[in-house]
Amino acid sequence: TAGITQAPTSQILAAGRSMTLRCTQDMRHNAMYWYRQDLGLGLRLIHYSNTAGTTGKGEVPDGYSVSRANTDDFPLTLASAVPSQTSVYFCASSALGLTFTDTQYFGPGTRLTVL
Amino acid sequence: AQSVAQPEDQVNVAEGNPLTVKCTYSVSGNPYLFWYVQYPNRGLQFLLKYITGDNLVKGSYGFEAEFNKSQTSFHLKKPSALVSDSALYFCAVRDGGSQGNLIFGKGTKLSVKP
Repeated sequence: TAGITQAPTSQILAAGRSMTLRCTQDMRHNAMYWYRQDLGLGLRLIHYSNTAGTTGKGEVPDGYSVSRANTDDFPLTLASAVPSQTSVYFCASSALGLTFTDTQYFGPGTRLTVL
Repeated sequence: AQSVAQPEDQVNVAEGNPLTVKCTYSVSGNPYLFWYVQYPNRGLQFLLKYITGDNLVKGSYGFEAEFNKSQTSFHLKKPSALVSDSALYFCAVRDGGSQGNLIFGKGTKLSVKP
């Protein structure tokens, strides 16, 4: 199975522009997550969704929004990009949710550069 | 508040030698601990996890980790390193006593030389 797919693979974006990072999973997992990875900071949670129709804020949610219209898709939107949002973005999913001990599985990532 | 620390930015070992990548944690409840590996330009791959039970956890690719409650540590180990083990390794923790996020360490770069 494909697992988790993310698009685009990489993107250069002008500051002030909007962009949506796409994430799709085919494992029928209930929960999905968005992280950003920055050198020396590890991974930080941006937003999460424990089930379709619900979302929650993570550690660094400002400047980002998400939606979860169905089980498979969890897009991340930057309404007005700023250079500090330059990062590698990873989508992940898990079978149960944030309050459980299940394993999170990660997509290949999207490298975003905001100029 | 929960936290996790990986005290070494980089670990260098020779192929065939044992390797250890260190991780310590701080939680108020029972810890749920995970190790992930990231190869260049790839996403994170799950290696192993400790939830409860035996302190020695065996995972993928010959890796294992030992949960030590008194030292609040969860070090990743492998008896004989391979060049192909060279990657970035992340430890992560969740506090079992709360609905907290999975908190990742900053990562340790493992370099295995032939």
